[in-house]
Amino acid sequence: EVRLVQSGAQVKKPGESLKISCEGSGYTFSNYWIGWVRQKPGKGLEWMGLIYPGDSDTAYSPSFQGQVIISVDKSVSSAYLQWSSLKASDTATYFCARRYCTGGSCYRTMDVWGQGTTVTVSS
Amino acid sequence: SFELTQPPSVSVSPGQTARITCSADALAKIFAFWFQQKPGQAPVLLIYKDSERPSGIPERFSGSSSGTTVTLTISGVQAEDEADYYCQSADGTGPWVFGGGTKLTVL
Repeated sequence: EVRLVQSGAQVKKPGESLKISCEGSGYTFSNYWIGWVRQKPGKGLEWMGLIYPGDSDTAYSPSFQGQVIISVDKSVSSAYLQWSSLKASDTATYFCARRYCTGGSCYRTMDVWGQGTTVTVSS
Repeated sequence: SFELTQPPSVSVSPGQTARITCSADALAKIFAFWFQQKPGQAPVLLIYKDSERPSGIPERFSGSSSGTTVTLTISGVQAEDEADYYCQSADGTGPWVFGGGTKLTVL
């Protein structure tokens, strides 16, 4: 079974750093892009960016460029999302998801999703 | 970049057909995708490439495209279909974009 399993919920203070993880299993992790999506409480989905584990090629949404860092460690089949200085506005659930590929084509969307990591930033 | 516009809410009685639209000029040239998200759960990919269903998605979910509007159609709506639905697309090498989401209420 193809799965993405994310790290647990986090409660942090403004200004603190954080790195959350997303571990893939059941497929060749290096061969599929992994994306990150933010969902603020009661709000919609926002695409943050994605990374190709094979060569760490990364693309960011302009809205998140410079605000977060997306990285990967293919030796442990894991992708990461990190902040150097959290703000209250970073309070959200963060999902990782695998780029959808089928029939020899890959599409600019995602099919397998992690369960989400809730990050709460509060003083 | 571009924006995808969805109605905030759609209501339908059980057994009826629900249609959720998503509009943007860019959709005349690029594919759209649809997700279902139930409270406290991750999104589920329902439709890709405007009208294709991934394996495991029930046939009552279908997608279509006409000009600058794509439509998700749910035939024979069931109570379990009550959820938020999001369209999503991407233009060239630009950011991937989600619509604002539509809350489907089953009356």
